[in-house]
Amino acid sequence: DAKTTQPPSMDCAEGRAANLPCNHSTISGNEYVYWYRQIHSQGPQYIIHGLKNNETNEMASLIITEDRKSSTLILPHATLRDTAVYYCIVRVASETSGSRLTFGEGTQLTVNP
Amino acid sequence: NAGVTQTPKFQVLKTGQSMTLQCAQDMNHNSMYWYRQDPGMGLRLIYYSASEGTTDKGEVPNGYNVSRLNKREFSLRLESAAPSQTSVYFCASSEVGGGLYEQYFGPGTRLTVT
Repeated sequence: DAKTTQPPSMDCAEGRAANLPCNHSTISGNEYVYWYRQIHSQGPQYIIHGLKNNETNEMASLIITEDRKSSTLILPHATLRDTAVYYCIVRVASETSGSRLTFGEGTQLTVNP
Repeated sequence: NAGVTQTPKFQVLKTGQSMTLQCAQDMNHNSMYWYRQDPGMGLRLIYYSASEGTTDKGEVPNGYNVSRLNKREFSLRLESAAPSQTSVYFCASSEVGGGLYEQYFGPGTRLTVT
């Protein structure tokens, strides 16, 4: 699985968009980008994933650059409840590729009132 | 739906004691996983079960054993606990393995070994 690099911490004002970057310059063509978050002391929660097209769901948007070497998770209107550690994970998605999710240290996002 | 449940929530063991952490899911998922998270670090995979009847080692399997009791339940056993196993243990499940589907996590078991 490709290695990812994320800033250790970020701050965002409540109600504003939170843009969390992730670098994955060694990503392979068949590797997906996944985002999970972990609110203090809880189990991680899946947010979104994508291969090369931008993706949007009820929680967030995922923007992947054309060369796929980096991506940005966007929380459009951050709330205090979005304060969490956000993990960017890159891995192959297939039934035969194994099931490991490799969590790095993530980005601590703090949403301020 | 309760999702993924774990028992106990907290446990304190003395070095050398044994215990089993229980995990159950009610989402009819095929794959289940055990992770550990040490303070300030990301999760590391201990063991996983791609389907009922199969188990495989993850990144940090030493000192642990697992049992996939049935499709719903996946237990993690520490035969002789060591202080290095002090951690938060998370169980997760997904429809199938291989990263095709997202993993759903339980609330965790906080284990302290003295």
